[in-house]
Amino acid sequence: EAGVTQFPSHSVIEKGQTVTLRCDPISGHDNLYWYRRVMGKEIKFLLHFVKESKQDESGMPNNRFLAERTGGTYSTLKVQPAELEDSGVYFCASSNSAGTGDHEQYFGPGTRLTVT
Amino acid sequence: AQSVTQLGSHVSVSEGALVLLRCNYSSSVPPYLFWYVQYPNQGLQLLLKYTSAATLVKGINGFEAEFKKSETSFHLTKPSAHMSDAAEYFCAVTPYGQNFVFGPGTRLSVLP
Repeated sequence: EAGVTQFPSHSVIEKGQTVTLRCDPISGHDNLYWYRRVMGKEIKFLLHFVKESKQDESGMPNNRFLAERTGGTYSTLKVQPAELEDSGVYFCASSNSAGTGDHEQYFGPGTRLTVT
Repeated sequence: AQSVTQLGSHVSVSEGALVLLRCNYSSSVPPYLFWYVQYPNQGLQLLLKYTSAATLVKGINGFEAEFKKSETSFHLTKPSAHMSDAAEYFCAVTPYGQNFVFGPGTRLSVLP
């Protein structure tokens, strides 16, 4: 079974540009989460999809961030326009139905975003 | 609200020595607790989890953790460190299986 995949693994962009990160969850996982780790800080929750619906987007830092999950499969996270403080590692995770089972989330390898 | 603290951002042990990484949590509801490990240039890998069953949880690679409600702790231990254990370790809590709240991480160095 393939794990969670993320693309690209690294991205270097200039301030003001746009970047789109992609996450492919484990097949059949309804729940998809985005997290971010800014340098030197803890991993912070950004948002949670259940299928194609946003269940919780309380962690999204501002309206420069837009997440989508059309069709309830893969998800994209767009940053437009990027600012220096957006640099960090963006993790995606997926899980089976929340509230049941063991609640384990399976993480992807992350996308390292550098804004210069 | 939930929160997690990890005492010590960097811990060094000698190869063969006991590994003890501390995690304390704050949760208004019975928590689910997890330890994840991140090896260099890799993603987060689950080490072990507590989901209200046995309080002593055994994980992969010889790690285990004990849930102590009275101390609100979930410390991670391994009897004998290996060089391959050098990585960053994250404790996380989740209420009702929703989004995780992570601790700041502890970087473990293993000295020969």
